[in-house]
Amino acid sequence: DSGVTQTPKHLITATGQRVTLRCSPRSGDLSVYWYQQSLDQGLQFLIQYYNGEERAKGNILERFSAQQFPDLHSELNLSSLELGDSALYFCASSVDGGQNTEAFFGQGTRLTVV
Amino acid sequence: EDQVTQSPEALRLQEGESSSLNCSYTVSGLRGLFWYRQDPGKGPEFLFTLYSAGEEKEKERLKATLTKKESFLHITAPKPEDSATYLCAVKRGSTLGRLYFGRGTQLTVWP
Repeated sequence: DSGVTQTPKHLITATGQRVTLRCSPRSGDLSVYWYQQSLDQGLQFLIQYYNGEERAKGNILERFSAQQFPDLHSELNLSSLELGDSALYFCASSVDGGQNTEAFFGQGTRLTVV
Repeated sequence: EDQVTQSPEALRLQEGESSSLNCSYTVSGLRGLFWYRQDPGKGPEFLFTLYSAGEEKEKERLKATLTKKESFLHITAPKPEDSATYLCAVKRGSTLGRLYFGRGTQLTVWP
């Protein structure tokens, strides 16, 4: 158990809908990262938050947004969902901004868009 | 463009048959190379971090090494429970904590 908690584990929703994925980082970790894993793309970085502030942005669609709250948990919001958004979404956390430390991953949320 | 390439894509070994997985990278300002293990439907599990050429890390049957252009994950006398996908990832100095992942090597160890 990495100590990173993601909910829900599975999510099935229809095209055009909006969903929210939740992540609780390991105790004491200040950074939260979101990654998307699909069969054809592998693990792709979406966005990083550090102590409540956006730190880095990767290949995140405009339909997607995230935030990190004062208690350091994070949410990833996906809207206007398309079939191609079906994937595993992982959250990871690290102690600092990530320069010199490892990231530990949660068990993921499997999103299926039908 | 930064790239992380892993080979082979898939590897089947008999229990006890040692082998190596390769991760080659082209990235400017390497700030660390990371190995993760991923079981089907699960999150990546951290294994090792390597920071400089010549560095080696060991854990049970696994040993990771790093050169200026590639890393190897050596698996000695593997067991069926070592079956998983092994992912390699790198960090660049200019992008802080972001990890750039390879596509992984799917290892199957049969008894």
